[in-house]
Formats: sequence, C-alpha cells, structure tokens
Amino acid sequence: DAMVIQNPRYQVTQFGKPVTLSCSQTLNHNVMYWYQQKSSQAPKLLFHYYDKDFNNEADTPDNFQSRRPNTSFCFLDIRSPGLGDAAMYLCATSLEPLAEYNEQFFGPGTRLTVL
Amino acid sequence: AQKITQTQPGMFVQEKEAVTLDCTYDTSDQSYGLFWYKQPSSGEMIFLIYQGSYDEQNATEGRYSLNFQKARKSANLVISASQLGDSAMYFCAMREGQNQGGKLIFGQGTELSVKP
Repeated sequence: DAMVIQNPRYQVTQFGKPVTLSCSQTLNHNVMYWYQQKSSQAPKLLFHYYDKDFNNEADTPDNFQSRRPNTSFCFLDIRSPGLGDAAMYLCATSLEPLAEYNEQFFGPGTRLTVL
Repeated sequence: AQKITQTQPGMFVQEKEAVTLDCTYDTSDQSYGLFWYKQPSSGEMIFLIYQGSYDEQNATEGRYSLNFQKARKSANLVISASQLGDSAMYFCAMREGQNQGGKLIFGQGTELSVKP
C-alpha cells in the first residue's frame, strides 16, 4: 500500500546532541511537510518542500533544518536539541498544493524525547 | 490572518449516539478548504472529511458529515452512531490560499470520549 513512513517512531536524544528524523513516501507526491506537535497542542508547520524548493516558516528556529535528497525521502535535522524541542514530529505529503482540494497524508509520527 | 477555533477542549458522547464537534474559521480568502482529521493516542493524523469553499452541498463520508455554514464561517463535524473506536483527538484545519504551498492551519483540537 502507498504510504508515508517515519523512522524511528520513538527517538531519545540528549540535550544538545544532533538528531535526524526520517520520512519516506511511496505516494510520489510533490510536496513533503514537517509539523511539530507539542503535548496537547495543534500541529505547527515547520517547513515544506515543493519538489526541490524549500519553504521555511517565518517562525521556525534556525535549529531546525531539512533535506530532501529525492522525491521519496525527506529528513528533519535538529542541530542542538533543547528540552523545549521534545514533541511529536509529523511528516505529511500532498500531490499538488495549488489545487483547491489538497489532502495531506500523514505518517505515524516520531515522538522525540530530549534528556 | 487565517485562524481556526475549536471551542470544545473535551466532549463526551454515549456509544451509538450522534455528536457534533464545533469549528469556526476566519479568512479573507475566497478560495479555501476545510479538513477534519482524527488523531488517536498512537499519534497518526487520519483524514476524515473535506469541504471546499465553493461546494454548495455539505460533505459526507460514511458516518461523518460536515455542517458547512459559510456565512457563519463554521464547519462543524457530525459523527453519527458513535463507536468506542471514535475516542480520539479531532482537529479542524484550513488550507490557506493557493499561494501558500497547501499549508494547513489547525485548530486546538477537541478530545472526544465515547462512553459504553
């Protein structure tokens, strides 16, 4: 089945130790999104890739970076995780963002713990 | 700026009864899309239903229907015949204007608990 896969599902890192979260998709979608969702809060968009074009949200800290080496994969890099970065990180994809109907397909998320 | 408001932090419903989850939105765009997602405790966001701003009929998907009142800027989710498996967080979301990369703005969510 076509899907969005995130690895790992649970990630524990130490304060200040770089960490990379992975997302892959078999949907062949043009757009990949990264959301941060803190406990009991709504998901918040960090950035997205439209094909190779990177689009950063204005309030996304520099500590968060992303890479998309090909259509299928997208990575979220946190250069120096702080305690406040502990959250669920959700990856999503969509086919065509300019279409009025633009469903986003979400992966299962990676729950990040910072010690 | 676009905004989504869900005023019910938590809701309870008896199994087999219907429940309405409220969502109001604010936008100056003429073209927009409204989505409802379900998020179980496992964390995955599951798409439920979509309503486009130009759709004249309310969207329905199985036990889910969307009560779209454009003039009031509301897009309430109605779940009929609630099941125990419906217990989850429910998020209303709006796609911003077409030049925003399909970005979704989420409301704060409503936690639904279905009682046996």
